[in-house]
Amino acid sequence: QVQLVESGGGLVKPGGSLRLSCAASGFTFSDYYMSWIRQAPGKRLEWVSYISGTSTYTKYADSVEGRFTISRDNAKNSLYLEMNSLRVEDTAVYYCARDSNSMDVWGKGTTVNVSS
Amino acid sequence: NFMLTQPHSVSVSPGKTVTISCTRSSGSIASDYVQWYQQRPGSAPTTVIYKDNERPSGVPDRFSGSIDSSSNSASLTISGLQTEDEADYYCQSFDNYNRVFGGGTTLTVL
Repeated sequence: QVQLVESGGGLVKPGGSLRLSCAASGFTFSDYYMSWIRQAPGKRLEWVSYISGTSTYTKYADSVEGRFTISRDNAKNSLYLEMNSLRVEDTAVYYCARDSNSMDVWGKGTTVNVSS
Repeated sequence: NFMLTQPHSVSVSPGKTVTISCTRSSGSIASDYVQWYQQRPGSAPTTVIYKDNERPSGVPDRFSGSIDSSSNSASLTISGLQTEDEADYYCQSFDNYNRVFGGGTTLTVL
């Protein structure tokens, strides 16, 4: 079945780095844009970044531009989010999602906690 | 840049109909598709409406979407409310290819 599984979250100090991964299965991964979306505790969903199927196009929310980098490896059916210069306000559950007419498939999320 | 504004919460009795609004602060609501997501506590979101009024397979026809250019708003209507519909609902649209989410509406069925 169509599935996305995130990993790589954890506790990191402000200014630190973390790399999130998202393993896709059950569909032709390279055919789809993919997005990262995050949700701080008790807060709204916030779109973070997307990448096109062949990695030609990427886009970032203003809040992470210059600090986060999205990438993918279609041979491994995997999506990544490299997060640098992390801030307390980056604390959230990070979801990867298949991005077509809507974000129609979501993973269960991985938790990032930025704290000293 | 624009914002999507939703009511913070709504409470409705089982069997009734509820409409949740999503108002775009600038630019036309009709210029970009609107999606609606349901998020139950402790779970990831799922799509209930895409492209303004399309329903994914498996979503009951009790869920419907519409847009109203006069109020510059999108709406999600759920009829025949069931306790399982209790969740947070988010609208989402596009701003120069960025994805924009509304603030979310907590639906309580009591």
